[in-house]
Amino acid sequence: DAGVTQTPRHEVAEKGQTIILKCEPVSGHNDLFWYRQTKIQGLELLSYFRSKSLMEDGGAFKDRFKAEMLNSSFSTLKIQPTEPKDSAVYLCASRGDNYEQYFGPGTRLTVL
Amino acid sequence: QQKVQQSPESLIVPEGGMASLNCTSSDRNVDYFWWYRQHSGKSPKMLMSIFSNGEKEEGRFTVHLNKASLHTSLHIRDSQPSDSALYLCAARGNTGNYKYVFGAGTRLKVIA
Repeated sequence: DAGVTQTPRHEVAEKGQTIILKCEPVSGHNDLFWYRQTKIQGLELLSYFRSKSLMEDGGAFKDRFKAEMLNSSFSTLKIQPTEPKDSAVYLCASRGDNYEQYFGPGTRLTVL
Repeated sequence: QQKVQQSPESLIVPEGGMASLNCTSSDRNVDYFWWYRQHSGKSPKMLMSIFSNGEKEEGRFTVHLNKASLHTSLHIRDSQPSDSALYLCAARGNTGNYKYVFGAGTRLKVIA
């Protein structure tokens, strides 16, 4: 079984750029999550989709962050425009009916 | 304020020793608890889950849950240097969208 895949694994952006991160959930999973992880803030929820419907959009992250679920097997997270404080690891996770939540390998974003 | 509190923030144990990690939810509308382990530079991986009062053992790992106090603990006996990692506790909400709320984690270091 393929796990959660994320691309790219590393991204370097200039301040003000638009970047798009991609995620493919585990086949058959209905729940998809985007998180941001930093040493200071820990894991922060950015977006949560259930069966492609947006359940939660992470409040404080509405401004420049937009996640979309284009179909049941593909999601994107767009950050526009990027700022240096967005430098973090972005994790995608998916969850099946047994509520086991699996994380992808993450994308490490550096904004200069 | 974090709704899932983990303690201690960091822990150092000698190889072969016992590590004890704690997690409490201040939100009463939770049921399942999950423990994840995250090695440096990697994404979180599921370790164990518990939803019934009592304890559950898998190899060197034992998880306890007290549903009345919404407190769970993870105990690692015969700790190994490979157990050095960030341990995250997650509580599943049992109302609304059933998302997991993660604690800030306990950083465990096992020294040889």
